[in-house]
Amino acid sequence: EADIYQTPRYLVIGTGKKITLECSQTMGHDKMYWYQQDPGMELHLIHYSYGVNSTEKGDLSSESTVSRIRTEHFPLTLESARPSHTSQYLCASKTDGGGSYNEQFFGPGTRLTVL
Amino acid sequence: SQKIEQNSEALNIQEGKTATLTCNYTNYSPAYLQWYRQDPGRGPVFLLLIRENEKEKRKERLKVTFDTTLKQSLFHITASQPADSATYLCALDTDSGYALNFGKGTSLLVTP
Repeated sequence: EADIYQTPRYLVIGTGKKITLECSQTMGHDKMYWYQQDPGMELHLIHYSYGVNSTEKGDLSSESTVSRIRTEHFPLTLESARPSHTSQYLCASKTDGGGSYNEQFFGPGTRLTVL
Repeated sequence: SQKIEQNSEALNIQEGKTATLTCNYTNYSPAYLQWYRQDPGRGPVFLLLIRENEKEKRKERLKVTFDTTLKQSLFHITASQPADSATYLCALDTDSGYALNFGKGTSLLVTP
């Protein structure tokens, strides 16, 4: 079992609300990622971080923002949720040691529904 | 960007048989390829990684092959069990190397 945690697991919220999805890992990994996944579809990278104070946008355009103030913590924020943000959000991390071939460890995901 | 194709139709097999899943890709040649398992409502779990200079990799009942000429990887589960039922994702490193590109996955159902 990977030591990467996401809260909440499920969130139903109204349009226009500000939300923060939490992601924490206790493995000391430098690289962290946020993916968005719709049912039956592939994971799309929306944000990633190489380490503290490093954040980059992924391939899929997203209205969300992220921060990386501590190694273990990589929260994702939506300032104003919309129904189009309804999706599964997956957080992942990987070590930077031993080259770039290391596998990614995923959290259980947050299922977000915006009404 | 990399395009990854996995069997879109679910694969139904009988317990004890060998399941074979396919992953095809286009554009650049990745340095490595990974396979993950994903159960409903859960995050993917890493299974195997194979490098571009490796033809085959094994781990218990799992076997992965990597043909860089055909741009294809095959994922085999021998002596399949109902507990193997899940969606299996193929993932390749991005051309910039900072992340992974995932396929849509193939759903496997193993019936007793």
